[in-house]
Amino acid sequence: GDSVTQMEGPVTLSEEAFLTINCTYTATGYPSLFWYVQYPGEGLQLLLKATKADDKGSNKGFEATYRKETTSFHLEKGSVQVSDSAVYFCALGPRDTGRRALTFGSGTRLQVQP
Amino acid sequence: GAGVSQSPSNKVTEKGKDVELRCDPISGHTALYWYRQRLGQGLEFLIYFQGNSAPDKSGLPSDRFSAERTGESVSTLTIQRTQQEDSAVYLCASSDSTRGSYEQYFGPGTRLTVT
Repeated sequence: GDSVTQMEGPVTLSEEAFLTINCTYTATGYPSLFWYVQYPGEGLQLLLKATKADDKGSNKGFEATYRKETTSFHLEKGSVQVSDSAVYFCALGPRDTGRRALTFGSGTRLQVQP
Repeated sequence: GAGVSQSPSNKVTEKGKDVELRCDPISGHTALYWYRQRLGQGLEFLIYFQGNSAPDKSGLPSDRFSAERTGESVSTLTIQRTQQEDSAVYLCASSDSTRGSYEQYFGPGTRLTVT
């Protein structure tokens, strides 16, 4: 079945450091890929998405590129801020994922120190 | 506009009691999902409703769990004879699948603690 593997956290960085959170997946067909973020005390929010190979999703300075050859969707940000401290979830779903549930990774907690 | 809302935000119950969790999806969203998030873990799919179709119950962990949805509005997740391992945050999400949207919008969750 489908699965998502994320690097374990917590990831602790200083402000303005470069961030990479690794995500790899196993799926049949051609899934859509997502990064969701959960800020402290809040619900999950969609951060970015990519629906086909080589697509790059981007939002709020974060980027992730859909790499079919390596089945990866790593999240990157060039300069993190304290306000980026949150738990980040990688997820996959079929193209028509509006009709089916997403498969989530276990989440990676990011802590950014001033 | 209003997002997905869930109630209660927190629920503490004694082992063996029944609980009901409520989800109000975004108006007009035809698809509704329930997930469970245990402490330090990812989200586990529980059940999915799509319009008037039969729900996908494949993620429900036992027959103590059930859910209903009235048309394309409110959904209730019921856990009977709660056990300590049911303690988790229960998340609801909705999406507008008729527009081919891939995005699921999540509510803030209900934190269930079974003592």
